[in-house]
Amino acid sequence: GAVVSQHPSWVICKSGTSVKIECRSLDFQATTMFWYRQFPKQSLMLMATSNEGSKATYEQGVEKDKFLINHASLTLSTLTVTSAHPEDSSFYICSARGLGHSNEQFFGPGTRLTVL
Amino acid sequence: KNEVEQSPQNLTAQEGEFITINCSYSVGISALHWLQQHPGGGIVSLFMLSSGKKKHGRLIATINIQEKHSSLHITASHPRDSAVYICAVSTGNQFYFGTGTSLTVIP
Repeated sequence: GAVVSQHPSWVICKSGTSVKIECRSLDFQATTMFWYRQFPKQSLMLMATSNEGSKATYEQGVEKDKFLINHASLTLSTLTVTSAHPEDSSFYICSARGLGHSNEQFFGPGTRLTVL
Repeated sequence: KNEVEQSPQNLTAQEGEFITINCSYSVGISALHWLQQHPGGGIVSLFMLSSGKKKHGRLIATINIQEKHSSLHITASHPRDSAVYICAVSTGNQFYFGTGTSLTVIP
C-alpha cells in the first residue's frame, strides 16, 4: 500500500515558539492531504483539508492563523503551529489521498507535540 | 448523535479468542475504513470496504450496506493485536470517525 511519513515523530517546544510538522507521501502523488488532531482517548478530529496548490479548507473552530497549512507539492504538506501554547499539545496526524487510489486515505504515523 | 458508533468501547480477550468489533453508521457512504492505532499512536489502515467482505491474514471485515453495519473480526487473537480499532466512513466529501474500540489481548 501507499506510504505516508511524518516528521518529526515527536517534538517538545517552549511556549510561544512555532513548530512545523511535515507530511510526505512517499510513493504516490497526494492530491489531497488531511490534518487531524487527536486528544487522549478521543477519536481523530479533522482540522483542515488541503489540495495541492490551493489554500487549505479549515474546519469550524480551527484557527487558520494558528495552524498554517501549506501543500506546495504533490508529495508534501506542512502544518505549522504558530506561537504554540500548552493547550496545543496533542497528537497530530496527517493522511493523504491520491491519484490511482480511489477514495482511500493513507495515514501518517503521527507527531506528538508537547508544549511546555 | 455520532454518525459512526462502535461497540464495544473496550474489550479484553484471552489469547486465541475470536474477536468481533461492530460499527454502525447513519450516513450514506462511499466507503468504510477499519483503522488500527497502536499505543504509540501511529495509525494503520486495515481495510477499505464498499461491499461484501475482505480478508487479510487473521483479520476479516464485512459490511452490510442495507443495514449500515460493518464488523471487524480477529481470529486466533494475539497480544500483539492489542490496539485501538477505529471505524471510519467516507461520504465522498467527508470522513466520520468512530470513537474506537480499545482491545487488550491477554497472554
